[in-house]
Amino acid sequence: DQQVKQNSPSLSVQEGRISILNCDYTNSMFDYFLWYKKYPAEGPTFLISISSIKDKNEDGRFTVFLNKSAKHLSLHIVPSQPGDSAVYFCAASANQGAQKLVFGQGTRLTINP
Amino acid sequence: DSGVTQTPKHLITATGQRVTLRCSPRSGDLSVYWYQQSLDQGLQFLIQYYNGEERAKGNILERFSAQQFPDLHSELNLSSLELGDSALYFCASSEQGGQAIYGYTFGSGTRLTVV
Repeated sequence: DQQVKQNSPSLSVQEGRISILNCDYTNSMFDYFLWYKKYPAEGPTFLISISSIKDKNEDGRFTVFLNKSAKHLSLHIVPSQPGDSAVYFCAASANQGAQKLVFGQGTRLTINP
Repeated sequence: DSGVTQTPKHLITATGQRVTLRCSPRSGDLSVYWYQQSLDQGLQFLIQYYNGEERAKGNILERFSAQQFPDLHSELNLSSLELGDSALYFCASSEQGGQAIYGYTFGSGTRLTVV
C-alpha cells in the first residue's frame, strides 16, 4: 500500500518559470511532511518541511503548500534554475515526526535553459 | 559531505552470498535509519535504531538484519542474496530521539548489485 504517492515520474520546466511538484497521501495520521532533493550518486538532502497545523511554508525560492482536506501537498520552486534539476521526494510522518518517514516514488525535475 | 558515511559505495556479489553494509552516523546523532531504493521506486523504510536499540521496523526481509553498536555505527547484513535485492541502500541519521521533524541526514548510499 503506497501511502505517499507522487504520480508524475518526471517534469520538465523552462528556466525562470515555476516548477510545481505534487504529492498525495492516504494516511490521515500523517501530520508532518517533508521534501527531499536528490542528485545522482548522492543521498537525498532535506529541502523544506511543513506541519499539518500550517497550510504554507516558504523558504526562499521554495514554498510547500498543504491541503489537508484533499490530502495533497505541493512544492513550488520559483524561479526555477538549472541547479534545481534533480529527483524530488515527498515524505510524510505521523506524531509530529516521531514516526519514521514514508517516502513517495520521486519526481525527476529537469530545468531547461 | 553530509556527515553520514556509508561503506562500501559499490558492491557486486553473487546470488546466495552475504554482505555487510556499514554506516557511521553524523556526530551527535543517536538514531540510524536504513532505507532501500530499488529501480524506479521510492525509498522503502527497513529499520531504525536509536542509541543501540531497535526502535522501528519496516518491510525488512527475514534474510536481512541490522544492529547499532556502542559507538553508534550501524551495520546492515543481507544474506542469501537474490537478484531482486539489487538496489541502493541508504543510511540516514537524526539528532533528536527518533524524531524526523528536522529531517534526516542521508549518506550517499551503497549500490548493491547481485549477479
